[in-house]
Amino acid sequence: DQQVKQNSPSLSVQEGRISILNCDYTNSMFDYFLWYKKYPAEGPTFLISISSIKDKNEDGRFTVFLNKSAKHLSLHIVPSQPGDSAVYFCPSEGTNAGKSTFGDGTTLTVKP
Amino acid sequence: DVKVTQSSRYLVKRTGEKVFLECVQDMDHENMFWYRQDPGLGLRLIYFSYDVKMKEKGDIPEGYSVSREKKERFSLILESASTNQTSMYLCASSLDFEQFFGPGTRLTVL
Repeated sequence: DQQVKQNSPSLSVQEGRISILNCDYTNSMFDYFLWYKKYPAEGPTFLISISSIKDKNEDGRFTVFLNKSAKHLSLHIVPSQPGDSAVYFCPSEGTNAGKSTFGDGTTLTVKP
Repeated sequence: DVKVTQSSRYLVKRTGEKVFLECVQDMDHENMFWYRQDPGLGLRLIYFSYDVKMKEKGDIPEGYSVSREKKERFSLILESASTNQTSMYLCASSLDFEQFFGPGTRLTVL
């Protein structure tokens, strides 16, 4: 029973355009949300986070939006660069920094 | 700078062998995790540990055990490796919500 779903397994975007990656979650108790990026043959690395008391958090080219009523999380990358090509995960955390629920990930390809 | 290291990047074992995957972190983190990543299945949590000698089952613990004798080290043990345990294994540690991952071990069981 997946508590986090990334419904698009892959996304292809032209360099310079916007990339939008989406996550839906089912557990309304989640109160902290993170995005990770993973390159092949490497471990995931933290990208950006948002707490449930906010609806937007921005860090350079990356912005995360949270819609709690819809239980929906999205990551916007503007402008997209070829180096952004990776798998993106959106695990959701509860109040205890323990068991994480990871989605299947979305593979982003940014074409030059 | 947090560092999580895993003992091997690539490992090839035979069916029935006992396999140890070692993970060490250098930031005094309380929490440590073992995941496996398979195509189409994302990252799935095998076991995690909140403290020394503490362990809890994740989503897919069957066929695995873990050991945490020291705070910085978390070992994943495959008592009798099987071909369906061929996978990428990722270790992580955390102090709070953000997890720091190692580079992964690509295990092939023949």
